[in-house]
Amino acid sequence: GESVGLHLPTLSVQEGDNSIINCAYSNSASDYFIWYKQESGKGPQFIIDIRSNMDKRQGQRVTVLLNKTVKHLSLQIAATQPGDSAVYFCAEPMNSGYSTLTFGKGTMLLVSP
Amino acid sequence: GAVVSQHPSRVICKSGTSVKIECRSLDFQATTMFWYRQFPKKSLMLMATSNEGSKATYEQGVEKDKFLINHASLTLSTLTVTSAHPEDSSFYICSASPPEGGRDTEAFFGQGTRLTVV
Repeated sequence: GESVGLHLPTLSVQEGDNSIINCAYSNSASDYFIWYKQESGKGPQFIIDIRSNMDKRQGQRVTVLLNKTVKHLSLQIAATQPGDSAVYFCAEPMNSGYSTLTFGKGTMLLVSP
Repeated sequence: GAVVSQHPSRVICKSGTSVKIECRSLDFQATTMFWYRQFPKKSLMLMATSNEGSKATYEQGVEKDKFLINHASLTLSTLTVTSAHPEDSSFYICSASPPEGGRDTEAFFGQGTRLTVV
């Protein structure tokens, strides 16, 4: 979920488990959300997106759920693998323009073999 | 997907010197590119929007004279950190989107540049 204080929240799972990473947003008018994966020392990598007219979207091993009532977004990773270890950010476009993104505070996912 | 490349990936410089970071869109033309800054264990913060052929647009609190942005061609934007100080040490990331999309066009990110000022 959202972090407070100095450290990223961390989710530790075993290989093969399902992982759920959460994100809260504040703007009820937000209409598009993206999940990014960032491995150490690298730039963010697009995982999946969802528009506000949807509640759920599935990709390969990943599912994003959107609950507009409580302004909550989650990323579910099935059968988590060590290669999934990274920091995951939710993001949404800024009001100011295209492709400028506001990022959530991130969650670090650690997958143990 | 589209490819955005940054160079260098790591740079160490002395205080008071300037450092230039390049961001290139390799397989598409980008009239607009974006520069983010990321502190350790923190999220990405948008610094500025780089506009080809015109002045960059800076976010509130970002010093224009400290972070010079030049977008001289449709495939290259540069960020120059001038008179660098240790507090400028950070991870700098650029992004760009292919021009055909709208507000929800996927943004592609460079691999980032780790700047360390000693």
